[in-house]
Amino acid sequence: EVQLVESGGGVVQPGGSVRLSCVASGFIFSSYEMNWVRQAPGKGLEWISYISSRGASIYYADSVKGRFTISRDNAKNSLYLQMNSLRVEDTAVYYCAREREHFSDWGQGTLVTVSS
Amino acid sequence: QLVLTQSPSASASLGASVNLTCTLTSGHSTYAIAWHQQLPDKGPRYLIKLKSDGSHSKGDGVPDRFSGSSSGPERYLTISGLQSEDEADYYCQTWGPGIRVFGGGTKVTVL
Repeated sequence: EVQLVESGGGVVQPGGSVRLSCVASGFIFSSYEMNWVRQAPGKGLEWISYISSRGASIYYADSVKGRFTISRDNAKNSLYLQMNSLRVEDTAVYYCAREREHFSDWGQGTLVTVSS
Repeated sequence: QLVLTQSPSASASLGASVNLTCTLTSGHSTYAIAWHQQLPDKGPRYLIKLKSDGSHSKGDGVPDRFSGSSSGPERYLTISGLQSEDEADYYCQTWGPGIRVFGGGTKVTVL
């Protein structure tokens, strides 16, 4: 069974930093592209970042470019999102998602609240 | 620019059918899309992938009452025999070079 488990969320002040993790199981993690997607309270899904299976290709949405960094450790079956210079509008549930062209599997999400 | 457009809401009676539409921007009418379901206070779940020729593949355990079809730039999700547990938000999603895109979502209400 495919499982994706996010962690690392919490309350952080504007301008602060947080690192999210997503641990994968049930599939060969190193063979798949991965993504981070977020959902602000009461809003729709927003794609924010992609990483290829070996990390050679990385893409970001304009809303987070220059502030967020996606990475992965295939030996640990883990995906990461380093979030810097956080803004109130970054408050959201953050999901990791496995990609097989489409997003085929999702984690349960972790909530990041940016507030003073 | 790759954009997906969805109606904000749809409703139908218990046991009836409801059709959701996802429209691709001009110039991207041959793109495949995926539909995802999000139950209240839950994470998304992959339902079905749709190609421009109408062929589709479903996620594991997705009930037969969920089906998809395509026509030009439009991709459809049909829920037949609507159940109360189908009340949810439905998002279409597509992908292109360097970008992944979601539609704004359609909230389905079961009357």
